[in-house]
Amino acid sequence: GAVVSQHPSWVICKSGTSVKIECRSLDFQATTMFWYRQFPKQSLMLMATSNEGSKATYEQGVEKDKFLINHASLTLSTLTVTSAHPEDSSFYICSARRQLDQPQHFGDGTRLSIL
Amino acid sequence: GDSVTQMEGPVTLSEEAFLTINCTYTATGYPSLFWYVQYPGEGLQLLLKATKADDKGSNKGFEATYRKETTSFHLEKGSVQVSDSAVYFCALSKNDTGGFKTIFGAGTRLFVKA
Repeated sequence: GAVVSQHPSWVICKSGTSVKIECRSLDFQATTMFWYRQFPKQSLMLMATSNEGSKATYEQGVEKDKFLINHASLTLSTLTVTSAHPEDSSFYICSARRQLDQPQHFGDGTRLSIL
Repeated sequence: GDSVTQMEGPVTLSEEAFLTINCTYTATGYPSLFWYVQYPGEGLQLLLKATKADDKGSNKGFEATYRKETTSFHLEKGSVQVSDSAVYFCALSKNDTGGFKTIFGAGTRLFVKA
């Protein structure tokens, strides 16, 4: 079946540093990738939608300069949390979709802890 | 706007008990409906889906039927196992003028005791 790989699975870093999270579709070409944030015991909050080769579409309230998304190829999207602070600590999950009428496949998530 | 409402958890059951997790939705048009499962520390896995009214999605003993008349997509399983302990998310997807969106319910945590 389709697999989405997310890396790293867990990262701890100091306040002020930037962190990059990778999302790869391993056995299909993903025309669209999605980035979600999940707070403890809560549902997924969509942060942005990215289509290969174009700028990401951010949801209202999500800072574009804070959460940089790059979708340079059909199999890779990256989320960079710039100048991270403790309030950015969360579980970030990516998902990828082959085409419009296909379901989303999710990565295993990245737990980000900012000290 | 479009939304998904699912029963609050946690739901605690004994092994081999019958499971129902209610899910209702509000949406214009013809959304597709999904159930996802999230095990501790992991991302979401698609459990089952239905793309049109009266479709029944099924997988691993779980079932859900797309009921347009009641705007519901309740998840059921006849006999739960300890390994079914997880968080279950009901979701709808649709494509509209704002683009493709998936909307998730708040999630229902299931605990199954041996």
